[in-house]
Amino acid sequence: AQTVTQSQPEMSVQEAETVTLSCTYDTSESDYYLFWYKQPPSRQMILVIRQEAYKQQNATENRFSVNFQKAAKSFSLKISDSQLGDAAMYFCASGNSGAGSYQLTFGKGTKLSVIP
Amino acid sequence: SQTIHQWPATLVQPVGSPLSLECTVEGTSNPNLYWYRQAAGRGLQLLFYSVGIGQISSEVPQNLSASRPQDRQFILSSKKLLLSDSGFYLCAWSVTIGVTQYFGPGTRLTVL
Repeated sequence: AQTVTQSQPEMSVQEAETVTLSCTYDTSESDYYLFWYKQPPSRQMILVIRQEAYKQQNATENRFSVNFQKAAKSFSLKISDSQLGDAAMYFCASGNSGAGSYQLTFGKGTKLSVIP
Repeated sequence: SQTIHQWPATLVQPVGSPLSLECTVEGTSNPNLYWYRQAAGRGLQLLFYSVGIGQISSEVPQNLSASRPQDRQFILSSKKLLLSDSGFYLCAWSVTIGVTQYFGPGTRLTVL
């Protein structure tokens, strides 16, 4: 079974500054994927970034980047130049690509506030 | 591009009443489909998934059921709602099993 842990229930950042959200995971699978989803007040889950475990290079999407430490089973999200629209719940998730694997395992989320 | 729809957006139902939530996906064929529930202040719990028409797998035994009458349509139902069924219900789709899932806008269900 997979587990995903987000140890920071809440975080805040000044507008235009950088913030890092932490996530650790545990899996016995060798082929897996990691995700960060954003859930704004509208509550729709929006994919922010995805990382394939077999790739050593950290994924980047505009102002969002990850620090993937496979040996430490750590997958943090860095948001640069924070904007007011970044305020949301952020969920870390993991999933397998193997046959019969259908479930994404989610952490409990980190609520990010952006201070103007 | 692919689009996922859910309706209704908000629903208030009395205890013991039936439920039907609908999810449809556009722009893709033979998607994998998922129903999640998110209780207040908690993460997501997978309820059902489907890999094809008429193929439903349940992850959590409960008062709910799911059906997939068409390739891109996924329905969540209940014959008699319980107070504990209140929550935010999200539908999602993916192209490949276990890989990236894309979520719909969700339905907020309140059972009184």
